[in-house]
Amino acid sequence: QLQLQESGPGLVKPSETLSLTCTVSGDSISSTIYYWAWIRQPPGKGLEWLGSVYYSGRTYYNASLKSRVTISVDTSKNQFSLKLSSVTAADTAVYYCARQGYDSRTPAFDPWGQGTLVTVSS
Amino acid sequence: DVQMTQSPSSLSASVGDRVTITCRASQDISNYLAWFQQKPGKAPKSLIYGASNLQSGVPSKFSGSGSGTDFNLTITSLQPEDFATYYCHQYSRYPLTFGGGTKVDIK
Repeated sequence: QLQLQESGPGLVKPSETLSLTCTVSGDSISSTIYYWAWIRQPPGKGLEWLGSVYYSGRTYYNASLKSRVTISVDTSKNQFSLKLSSVTAADTAVYYCARQGYDSRTPAFDPWGQGTLVTVSS
Repeated sequence: DVQMTQSPSSLSASVGDRVTITCRASQDISNYLAWFQQKPGKAPKSLIYGASNLQSGVPSKFSGSGSGTDFNLTITSLQPEDFATYYCHQYSRYPLTFGGGTKVDIK
């Protein structure tokens, strides 16, 4: 059964870089019909897509993050990672990783990781 | 960017009720529309993809319809476990976007 698990620091200081890793188990991250995505949810608010990566390394990012986000993939470890630079309190959120379907014939985001709360504070 | 507008933002319903949540896209997204259910403290769960395709393992009480810009999620015979927040999501074009959510609570 496919499972995704986020890992990384739960506390990051303002102006520093947030770094998270998503470990995929039960399937290969090198599948040609899926992307791998990061999504976040500030406390009490809605969902925001941050970006997606294909096994080849091709990426799509949410331009609203103004080039602060970098997503990479490590097929040898079956992992993909998120880096968000110059963080502020507004980046405090639960960060989720998820498998993203390639087209409308596959589920959009399924499954999701359990999520990890990252707090930005000094 | 494609803006997704959900309505209502919240609703109160009773066990056994049928409810419909609406999602409108600011541009034509064909059938690239998904619905998610989220319970407090939990990750969202996929319910519907491709506007009307039921995710494997999701009960048939959930159904989706629509195409283009207007979409609906219908839940029949509400049960206590269905009280949650529901989000629509478009994956027609980047950046991928979500609706603001509809909270369904017990009347």
